[in-house]
Amino acid sequence: QKEVEQDPGPLSVPEGAIVSLNCTYSNSAFQYFMWYRQYSRKGPELLMYTYSSGNKEDGRFTAQVDKSSKYISLFIRDSQPSDSATYLCAMTSTNAGKSTFGDGTTLTVKP
Amino acid sequence: GAVVSQHPSWVICKSGTSVKIECRSLDFQATTMFWYRQFPKQSLMLMATSNEGSKATYEQGVEKDKFLINHASLTLSTLTVTSAHPEDSSFYICRADREGTEAFFGQGTRLTVV
Repeated sequence: QKEVEQDPGPLSVPEGAIVSLNCTYSNSAFQYFMWYRQYSRKGPELLMYTYSSGNKEDGRFTAQVDKSSKYISLFIRDSQPSDSATYLCAMTSTNAGKSTFGDGTTLTVKP
Repeated sequence: GAVVSQHPSWVICKSGTSVKIECRSLDFQATTMFWYRQFPKQSLMLMATSNEGSKATYEQGVEKDKFLINHASLTLSTLTVTSAHPEDSSFYICRADREGTEAFFGQGTRLTVV
């Protein structure tokens, strides 16, 4: 079993929809959680990061961490065609030398 | 701005030649860097983990003699595709992790072997 499991998708939604992207994990030591967005033919870019449990909001994006359930989510409100991309979750612990990534979810927002 | 810089962003080379791709962490030291390969519409595929001062660790099925990795300093890792062939044409991406916090990816290198 992988340490990080990400909903595989692909996901297709109409413009304006609320999108929920999700990952579960098994390592209780993880405490730093990240979301990346990758457009076609580009390297993944860091979208948001959160430390420990709780919510973090940035514009239309909200990252949510539930450490008790070992579950993280990225919500996108009022989704736009420009949000069409592959989204990767990642997490790490304080003493870890590297982050552990999910396999990614491809999102298409249709106008 | 980018904290991991990857060069070149694209390269075209003749079959049989070698190509070197550089990955630099700009404002932090990265003991470990990673190299990925990505085909169109597919997921990132980890090729190898690059460790500063030691040999790289390759994923199963990746030819270490073909994809030479050198991590000579805490801010630079290079991937050399030796004797490149058309089937090596792909998108190569590096990654460097800031210990205990964020991971950063390079912009990617599109390699076309003709």
